[in-house]
Amino acid sequence: TQLLEQSPQFLSIQEGENLTVYCNSSSVFSSLQWYRQEPGEGPVLLVTVVTGGEVKKLKRLTFQFGDARKDSSLHITAAQPGDTGLYLCAGAYDSWGKLQFGAGTQVVVTP
Amino acid sequence: GAVVSQHPSRVICKSGTSVKIECRSLDFQATTMFWYRQFPKQSLMLMATSNEGSKATYEQGVEKDKFLINHASLTLSTLTVTSAHPEDSSFYICSASPGQGVFFGEGSRLTVL
Repeated sequence: TQLLEQSPQFLSIQEGENLTVYCNSSSVFSSLQWYRQEPGEGPVLLVTVVTGGEVKKLKRLTFQFGDARKDSSLHITAAQPGDTGLYLCAGAYDSWGKLQFGAGTQVVVTP
Repeated sequence: GAVVSQHPSRVICKSGTSVKIECRSLDFQATTMFWYRQFPKQSLMLMATSNEGSKATYEQGVEKDKFLINHASLTLSTLTVTSAHPEDSSFYICSASPGQGVFFGEGSRLTVL
């Protein structure tokens, strides 16, 4: 089983600050997904990265996929209280959608 | 993005009864769906792969007779928790992929009394 290490586990910041969440593995994934999950709801897909070295931006969120396709990061600029949630990275074994999840990062942004 | 829907969102049952949870892909066909389980403040753990027209594939440690999976059509997979006990109480989530991206249902909270 490929392990996906996600860090930090918990992040509490003030509104307007920046934050970065990391996802690392010793193995190569065919793709990597980032999700945000609210309590009592399913994870919502933020982005899928496929190509090594790929950078994707979604408003204030920037996602990077490492050149070797083993690691990824999520950077949030000028965080807002609405960014509060559980952020999950998940590596895909194949094209069918079988995922290995990281432990998750609970982000709390206070006004 | 693609839509995956689960039903029911919440279910409470008595110990010893069976509960069925449905997972539907609303705008695409899915020959493969996945079922996950999530405990409070933890990440998602893959339980099984649901294959349309054939038997499900279970992850190590998951009892196939406890968690029955049926994938009878290209848009529907069901998870039946048989003879449920309080330790089966959890958040169950399904996923499917239309080819690009993996999308999750809303989740089903099972409480076994």
